[in-house]
Amino acid sequence: GAVVSQHPSRVICKSGTSVKIECRSLDFQATTMFWYRQFPKQSLMLMATSNEGSKATYEQGVEKDKFLINHASLTLSTLTVTSAHPEDSSFYICSATDRGHTGELFFGEGSRLTVL
Amino acid sequence: QQQVKQSPQSLIVQKGGIPIINCAYENTAFDYFPWYQQFPGKGPALLIAIRPDVSEKKEGRFTISFNKSAKQFSLHIMDSQPGDSATYFCAATNTGNQFYFGTGTSLTVIP
Repeated sequence: GAVVSQHPSRVICKSGTSVKIECRSLDFQATTMFWYRQFPKQSLMLMATSNEGSKATYEQGVEKDKFLINHASLTLSTLTVTSAHPEDSSFYICSATDRGHTGELFFGEGSRLTVL
Repeated sequence: QQQVKQSPQSLIVQKGGIPIINCAYENTAFDYFPWYQQFPGKGPALLIAIRPDVSEKKEGRFTISFNKSAKQFSLHIMDSQPGDSATYFCAATNTGNQFYFGTGTSLTVIP
């Protein structure tokens, strides 16, 4: 199946700093990428939908100034957690859909963010 | 509003048993129903998927049963193994649009 690469897999930062997470589709063009947040033993919570070349669409309750999403190309989307605080500690997962082909959704490996 | 309802929340079976996870949906526009397997600390991985034009799909030990009239679909794992212990998510989408996920089922297969 298609491969989505997410980096870094783990990051620890101090409170107040910003952290960038990258999501790349390696073997297909991802016109749409999704960013999820997952708390322990819970389901995936959609944060935003990112379309190449346009502004991301954020879900209700997700601060767009806090979680900056950029989808600059058909293979790369980034999530920047700005001025991170301990409550932002979570597992962040990106996914991409190969809309032009199968419509399937493929996930990255996830990024574990710990804010001290 | 939960677009996809999944049950049970957790499931424990003996090795060789056949765990069954159920999902139900409301939106008749959904046309693609995937199941994802997630191990701790990893992203979900596509396991098997079905479209509403068929009632059953098998891939190895994994089978999806689909009941269009009841708007339900289920995952069956034949001859379950300890390595199948993971969290399973069902999902539904109208192809090309947002995916809606179930709440997940934590499966434990006891050796």
